Amino acid sequence: ETGVTQSPTHLIKTRGQQVTLRCSSQSGHNTVSWYQQALGQGPQFIFQYYREEENGRGNFPPRFSGLQFPNYSSELNVNALELDDSALYLCASSAPGRGLDEQFFGPGTRLTVL
Amino acid sequence: AQTVTQSQPEMSVQEAETVTLSCTYDTSESDYYLFWYKQPPSRQMILVIRQEAYKQQNATENRFSVNFQKAAKSFSLKISDSQLGDAAMYFCAYRESSGGSNYKLTFGKGTLLTVNP
Repeated sequence: ETGVTQSPTHLIKTRGQQVTLRCSSQSGHNTVSWYQQALGQGPQFIFQYYREEENGRGNFPPRFSGLQFPNYSSELNVNALELDDSALYLCASSAPGRGLDEQFFGPGTRLTVL
Repeated sequence: AQTVTQSQPEMSVQEAETVTLSCTYDTSESDYYLFWYKQPPSRQMILVIRQEAYKQQNATENRFSVNFQKAAKSFSLKISDSQLGDAAMYFCAYRESSGGSNYKLTFGKGTLLTVNP
């Protein structure tokens, strides 16, 4: 069984640019959640996708957007990058409809905005 | 809104000894889940233990156990027989019990645990 994978591992962008981060969910999982973890902080919930639709959103501006594909993999897009967007971005997959509500996390993507 | 507070930014323990990490939370819900996650330097968040609020019995997973005090909204993690591999950042997290968007996890700021040989 393949775990949650994320790409890329590290990314460096400049302010104002756009970035796309990718997440492949664990086999059989249909729900993906994204979290932002700033240095020295706990993860903050960005949003969740279930069956290709956004199904809950945290306190993040609209320039944070996402997609979920038919195979349940997901993308996080961030437009107009700001310095404060520098963080570790984690995705987590789960299958709540199948009694598997534990969230399994990927290793994260470290984004640095210069 | 739910909040999770971890008042110990750093803790240290001698190998083979016992350590307790503290967590308090605030919620108006009566049914919810609480979790302890471990994040080693590799960054991958790993679930250590979970507790369902409606269960009176404290959860236990091998050397890890919790002290869940619902009235006090306290959820501490006890690590017995500490091992070098236990060194990591530990996060306490809260989740409402129902599905849909309530699957979001609310995390504390974490406690960095050092294990001394």
